[in-house]
Amino acid sequence: QSVLTQPPSASGTPGQRVTISCSGSSSNIGSNTVNWYQQLPGTAPKLLIYNNNQRPSGVPDRFSGSKSGTSASLAISGLQSEDEADYYCATWDDSLNGSWVFGGGTKVTVL
Amino acid sequence: EVQLVESGGGLAQPGRSLRLSCAASGFTFDDYAMHWVRQSPGKGLEWVSGISWNSGTRGYADSVKGRFTISRDNAKNSLYLQMNSLRAEDTALYYCAKDIGPGYSTGHFDYWGQGTLVTVSS
Repeated sequence: QSVLTQPPSASGTPGQRVTISCSGSSSNIGSNTVNWYQQLPGTAPKLLIYNNNQRPSGVPDRFSGSKSGTSASLAISGLQSEDEADYYCATWDDSLNGSWVFGGGTKVTVL
Repeated sequence: EVQLVESGGGLAQPGRSLRLSCAASGFTFDDYAMHWVRQSPGKGLEWVSGISWNSGTRGYADSVKGRFTISRDNAKNSLYLQMNSLRAEDTALYYCAKDIGPGYSTGHFDYWGQGTLVTVSS
C-alpha cells in the first residue's frame, strides 16, 4: 500500500464540488509541501497543484489545494466532464534516505 | 516547448538488464534535476529514482536500490536508467520527469514524457 492514503474513488455531477483527501505522516506531509497530479485516461500525469496550493499557468482556478498538519486535500469546484481522471498527491518523505512518495490515486467520475 | 521522449523499453526475462533513455529538449537540461517514475498496469505512480543537475546526488526507491542506476549526460541532454536483475514486479510504464529545480528532493515534477513500457517475463 501507498505511504500516502487517498480514497480510491470520488464522484459528482457537473457543477458540483468534489474534494479528495490525502493523508500522510510527520515525515512526509507534516514537513514538506504537497503536489497534485492529474492523469487523464491513457495519458501521462500532469502537474495540477504544487507547493500545497499553487496552480501552474493554464490550470483552471476550479482546482484548489490545501494542507493542514499531516493531511492535504484537492478540491474541484464546478465539476466538468473533462475532469474525469485519476488524481495523485505526492510529497517528499524525510524518513531513512528520503524519497518521493505518492498516494494511491483517486479516480474521479463525473456522473 | 519542453519535450521528454523515453526509449529503450521492451520485453526482458527475469534477471536480465535493460537501459532506458530520455531525450530532453526545449529547456536548459543541465539546470534541472530529473526523475524516473513508473506505473504498473492499472496501478498508481511510484517514484523510482532522481538525480541532481550535476549528478552530484542521486536517490532511489527501496524497491530498486542496488539494482537500478540513474545517470545523465548533460552534453547530450539525456537521462538514463540502467536496470539490472529485473523482476516481474518491475513491469511498468516508465516515465521521465523534469524537476523545477536543481536538486531532486525539494521541487516537483513539472513536465513528464509519455513513457516507455518495460515488461519482465519469461
